[in-house]
Amino acid sequence: DTGVSQNPRHKITKRGQNVTFRCDPISEHNRLYWYRQTLGQGPEFLTYFQNEAQLEKSRLLSDRFSAERPKGSFSTLEIQRTEQGDSAMYLCASSSGGILYNEQFFGPGTRLTVL
Amino acid sequence: AQKVTQAQTEISVVEKEDVTLDCVYETRDTTYYLFWYKQPPSGELVFLIRRNSFDEQNEISGRYSWNFQKSTSSFNFTITASQVVDSAVYFCALSVFNQAGTALIFGKGTTLSVSS
Repeated sequence: DTGVSQNPRHKITKRGQNVTFRCDPISEHNRLYWYRQTLGQGPEFLTYFQNEAQLEKSRLLSDRFSAERPKGSFSTLEIQRTEQGDSAMYLCASSSGGILYNEQFFGPGTRLTVL
Repeated sequence: AQKVTQAQTEISVVEKEDVTLDCVYETRDTTYYLFWYKQPPSGELVFLIRRNSFDEQNEISGRYSWNFQKSTSSFNFTITASQVVDSAVYFCALSVFNQAGTALIFGKGTTLSVSS
């Protein structure tokens, strides 16, 4: 399977715990994005990597969130001291091509439930 | 500010009916891309189409067609002869550019239910 993969697919945690999600993009894609989707809403942009450089972060990404993309391959998104409001689907997408030629391919998402 | 509005929250049709999903966007940029994605019950977003701001030609792909009108800032999506497998949430999105990078701005989606 050469699509975007995400692990785990589901995560249930207690409030205050730390969680980490992983995204493996399509191998030749140099751009990687994280989005958050809550029930009944469209995905909301969180952060963006070009290769290993994190170039943009949304104001939605509080200090409790951190993302990395070592060596420009897979990426991790960590949420520290989770809150119930963090419950959502976390989507990863990757793309290649020009800066605006931005056909993003999405993974299946990680559904986070914070109890 | 950039924004995408999908005014239709839910649409229900019977198989073989035609259905149009509306999308209105706002941006001050002169160069931008518009997209439609499908999110079936399985949850994974599936890319359907990309259109750049300089290309207002309508496009048809099988039962799908898209009508892009810059004058009204709309990018509507029509499914002809709908099928049960078309049932999904459909998102319109706008790609904007800034100095650091780019992101997709999504509408809230339209849930399409096609019954047999």
